[in-house]
Amino acid sequence: SQQGEEDPQALSIQEGENATMNCSYKTSINNLQWYRQNSGRGLVHLILIRSNEREKHSGRLRVTLDTSKKSSSLLITASRAADTASYFCATRGPQAGTALIFGKGTTLSVSS
Amino acid sequence: GAGVSQSPSNKVTEKGKDVELRCDPISGHTALYWYRQSLGQGLEFLIYFQGNSAPDKSGLPSDRFSAERTGGSVSTLTIQRTQQEDSAVYLCASSSEYNEQFFGPGTRLTVL
Repeated sequence: SQQGEEDPQALSIQEGENATMNCSYKTSINNLQWYRQNSGRGLVHLILIRSNEREKHSGRLRVTLDTSKKSSSLLITASRAADTASYFCATRGPQAGTALIFGKGTTLSVSS
Repeated sequence: GAGVSQSPSNKVTEKGKDVELRCDPISGHTALYWYRQSLGQGLEFLIYFQGNSAPDKSGLPSDRFSAERTGGSVSTLTIQRTQQEDSAVYLCASSSEYNEQFFGPGTRLTVL
């Protein structure tokens, strides 16, 4: 079964607004990663946050991790039309040799 | 090329035929993954290779699906006696252990 569950399933905002997506997971993790996918192909890695980290930034992206609540959030600030895509969280378990498991994703639409 | 490559990019086949999908990972990456994504859905984990360890086949949906990784590099996903429900985009990714995954562009399989 899938580990991560993103919320909301779909999000529509205007350019310049901030977009927040949440991810919940069920078991212990080594790290949590966020990916973006355009047009049903080509997943691109955005950011990785390890279980001992609480917040990480990369450009307009801010990711938080709360291991006590088993949840993460991805914030995209000052959104652009080009940010329109599906966003997936993925978790990797603490043991070596475990696969990265993806959630079902949040579809973000940014209109100009 | 520095990225993950997959071939073919598109494959149309008739129900009942066998298909082989190929993945060339990034050189030096010890881990290789296969996922399947149906239209508008998240990524479904299929199989995971890590170094010389036995692969994690827990995601393969039926015994019609199999995969090999020769010489710790190129991988082939084989689907025997294809069914219409096998139609999807098949994505391959590689990584060094615990780190971000790099995805190939995928193979879009259509079973008529």
